[in-house]
Amino acid sequence: RKEVEQDPGPFNVPEGATVAFNCTYSNSASQSFFWYRQDCRKEPKLLMSVYSSGNEDGRFTAQLNRASQYISLLIRDSKLSDSATYLCVVNNQAGTALIFGKGTTLSVSS
Amino acid sequence: DAGITQSPRHKVTETGTPVTLRCHQTENHRYMYWYRQDPGHGLRLIHYSYGVKDTDKGEVSDGYSVSRSKTEDFLLTLESATSSQTSVYFCATSGQGYSNQPQHFGDGTRLSIL
Repeated sequence: RKEVEQDPGPFNVPEGATVAFNCTYSNSASQSFFWYRQDCRKEPKLLMSVYSSGNEDGRFTAQLNRASQYISLLIRDSKLSDSATYLCVVNNQAGTALIFGKGTTLSVSS
Repeated sequence: DAGITQSPRHKVTETGTPVTLRCHQTENHRYMYWYRQDPGHGLRLIHYSYGVKDTDKGEVSDGYSVSRSKTEDFLLTLESATSSQTSVYFCATSGQGYSNQPQHFGDGTRLSIL
């Protein structure tokens, strides 16, 4: 299994839709999990950290399932401005670096 | 974000020439990182620094060297650029810990090696 795997998409959804992305990771000892957002030709930006109990930030909800080694990102009431690539990020086995997934592309249309 | 400035923003150069990219941060963050991003590969760590003059290799360090003489500056050098090093290079910083804190990225440098 690759260290961090994401469905590349693209996910094409209409405005107002709810969309969910999953990400699987290989290191069962990973302790740090994040979702980043990257717009075309821009730098990655932290969207949210992912906590064991799950966490929510407005329309965004992140969940962690340690038993199955996956994290998820749920976006409710999608906006045009949510169109971007979403990167799943997990710390590596040695705990010395962050491993970035290749990203899932979301396109929200009106 | 986090006061990170990369220079140059764009560069075109020829195979075999040396190239140095600069990352400057104003946040007094201890940890700094250099990544490259290529289609189909995502972000890959080249080198990182955990303090002044303290650096280590990442996943794709061959052909690259780094230096950190001041907290605020982290330089990435391609000693003899090759076409395979054509990429977008991102610098990132974090305040504490190697991997238990999120990293904040600069705007990136688009490097083309002809």
